[in-house]
Amino acid sequence: QVQLQESGPGLVKPSETLSLACTVSDGSISSYYWSWIRQPPGKGLEWIGFISYSGSTDYNPSLKSRVTMSVDTSKNQFSLRLSSVTAADTAVYYCARGRSSGRLPLSDFWGQGTLVTVSS
Amino acid sequence: IVMTQSPDSLAVSLGERATINCKSSQSVLYSSNNKNYLTWYQQKPGQPPKLLIYWASTRESGVPDRFSGSGSGTDFTLTISSLQAEDVAVYYCQQYYDTPNTFGQGTKLEIK
Repeated sequence: QVQLQESGPGLVKPSETLSLACTVSDGSISSYYWSWIRQPPGKGLEWIGFISYSGSTDYNPSLKSRVTMSVDTSKNQFSLRLSSVTAADTAVYYCARGRSSGRLPLSDFWGQGTLVTVSS
Repeated sequence: IVMTQSPDSLAVSLGERATINCKSSQSVLYSSNNKNYLTWYQQKPGQPPKLLIYWASTRESGVPDRFSGSGSGTDFTLTISSLQAEDVAVYYCQQYYDTPNTFGQGTKLEIK
């Protein structure tokens, strides 16, 4: 079974850039779409965006001006950068695998998530 | 597309039926393939969401058959036919019809 492992700093200062990576264990990165979703502590889920193995992206308009996603197929890894963070960006960040559906990808498997806290 | 779940929380006795509703602000039925772009996830404390149902009614591999999804267009239901202790969780619906993907606010399911 595929494993998705998020990695990156757990603490980011306000106004700085949050950077996370997700490593795909089974080498299937060229076969799926790859998403980032976040969940503030005690709250619901917010979709951040997705990237295809070829690099095409779709971002949530609410975050679009601050989000960049990239993919490195040679490393079986995809990444998230979120700039100019504030305390409102404190959340558990999940990476997820997406199946092609004919419209948006269907997220069928999620990583365990990593808590990122924005604080000075 | 705004997804609204009801109720926000639900307490059901073991072995009884649990029903969670999800309403979308616009149809998520794609006419080209007649599929509803609606998923249900289960999230237990400290765990990531787990896919239960996609296409509104297709059970993901390995999901117990006591979980079922129904509905079309804008109104959907997740039913757990006979509640087990391990089903205590928060349940989310999500549409993947149009960008941005959006989730319902979640329904917390507990044992009565």
